[in-house]
Amino acid sequence: DVVLTQTPSILSATIGQSVSISCRSSQSLLDSDGNTYLYWFLQRPGQSPQRLIYLVSNLGSGVPNRFSGSGSGTDFTLKISGVEAEDLGVYYCMQATHAWTFGGGTKLELK
Amino acid sequence: EVQLVETGGGLVQPGKSLKLTCATSGFTFSNAWMHWVRQSPEKQLEWVAQIKAKSNNYATYYAESVKGRFTISRDDSKSSVYLQMNSLKEEDTAIYYCTRYYGDYWGQGVMVTVSS
Repeated sequence: DVVLTQTPSILSATIGQSVSISCRSSQSLLDSDGNTYLYWFLQRPGQSPQRLIYLVSNLGSGVPNRFSGSGSGTDFTLKISGVEAEDLGVYYCMQATHAWTFGGGTKLELK
Repeated sequence: EVQLVETGGGLVQPGKSLKLTCATSGFTFSNAWMHWVRQSPEKQLEWVAQIKAKSNNYATYYAESVKGRFTISRDDSKSSVYLQMNSLKEEDTAIYYCTRYYGDYWGQGVMVTVSS
């Protein structure tokens, strides 16, 4: 199975601060069809996961543009440019190139 | 508006069975690839099963941890997807979510507790 390793596991930030979360894969996520099936989700307390980013860097519908995704191969990053209170929760990366697996999560909390 | 609503969860003894239902609306269900994903009490997300559309011969796929015990199915006439869970183990305790395609919409989840 593909293992996704997220760092850090806990991220403390102030409102307005820019932060980044890393997601490293045990195998390349570049598919034979040319796509890289790497996604980012936010799960707020008591809610279901919400997709933020699809195919590495594409913003989901209705997702604020302070969120951005980048990376290739085995190394990926989610960046939040100016954290807002509604961004608090747990972030997960997910790969769908080799079945589906999820990272362990990064909890974003207020400093 | 796209909606996915899971039902059928509850408390069940080890070795018993349970069937989850995900009723959907607001999109063309018959074309959609559907998944079940679960979240353990430790908050780890784990993909459980996938079922593709009729055009893909309703192909199904399973995580190794549930293969041979769980069965995913769908009824396009009811816009619903199901998860039949047999021979349940305590480690199957989780919130079970249904989601479509590559996770663009999720249900609210349903709790399954396996305990004696």
